Amino acid sequence: SQTIHQWPATLVQPVGSPLSLECTVEGTSNPNLYWYRQAAGRGLQLLFYSVGIGQISSEVPQNLSASRPQDRQFILSSKKLLLSDSGFYLCAWRLADRENSPLHFGNGTRLTVT
Amino acid sequence: AQSVTQPDIHITVSEGASLELRCNYSYGATPYLFWYVQSPGQGLQLLLKYFSGDTLVQGIKGFEAEFKRSQSSFNLRKPSVHWSDAAEYFCAVHGSSNTGKLIFGQGTTLQVKP
Repeated sequence: SQTIHQWPATLVQPVGSPLSLECTVEGTSNPNLYWYRQAAGRGLQLLFYSVGIGQISSEVPQNLSASRPQDRQFILSSKKLLLSDSGFYLCAWRLADRENSPLHFGNGTRLTVT
Repeated sequence: AQSVTQPDIHITVSEGASLELRCNYSYGATPYLFWYVQSPGQGLQLLLKYFSGDTLVQGIKGFEAEFKRSQSSFNLRKPSVHWSDAAEYFCAVHGSSNTGKLIFGQGTTLQVKP
């Protein structure tokens, strides 16, 4: 069966520091991958998605970037964090070859920028 | 553009009472619809999904949802709520069958009174 791993679970970083959040999927090949952010008291905002290695689509202009160096690895990065980057970051995957495949989420990373 | 509206930000019900969480969507074609549940500090778990066919779909944990095209609604129901159902619930619609990205509502927080 497929599993998704996200780390770290929690992170406290000072303003201006770099960021790297990692997500890996096991048990499937060529998944579609997604990064969502959930700010306090708000819904989920899609940040990036990827339909293949090296293919990244950005949904919202911001201080963040994403990369997919391997088929089942998705990384969210920032060179300099802002206070507004605080939030709950969720990685998700779905089967690329099934049109109605739902998204499956990791357990998330709680990022606090101080 | 596709969108999802969850009119109720917060709902409180007594344990054992019935529950209905509202969801309205805006989508040009036949939508793929989903309900997810999120416990505090956790990722999202898929409760149920609708693609086509029977408009009443059954999910996990005793939940069901009914698709009503004429009302552009996909309301979530449960006949008898348990204290463990207290969580945040998200309705979502497929934004694109090619990319699989989901558009989420703002969520409804469910509180269960003993």
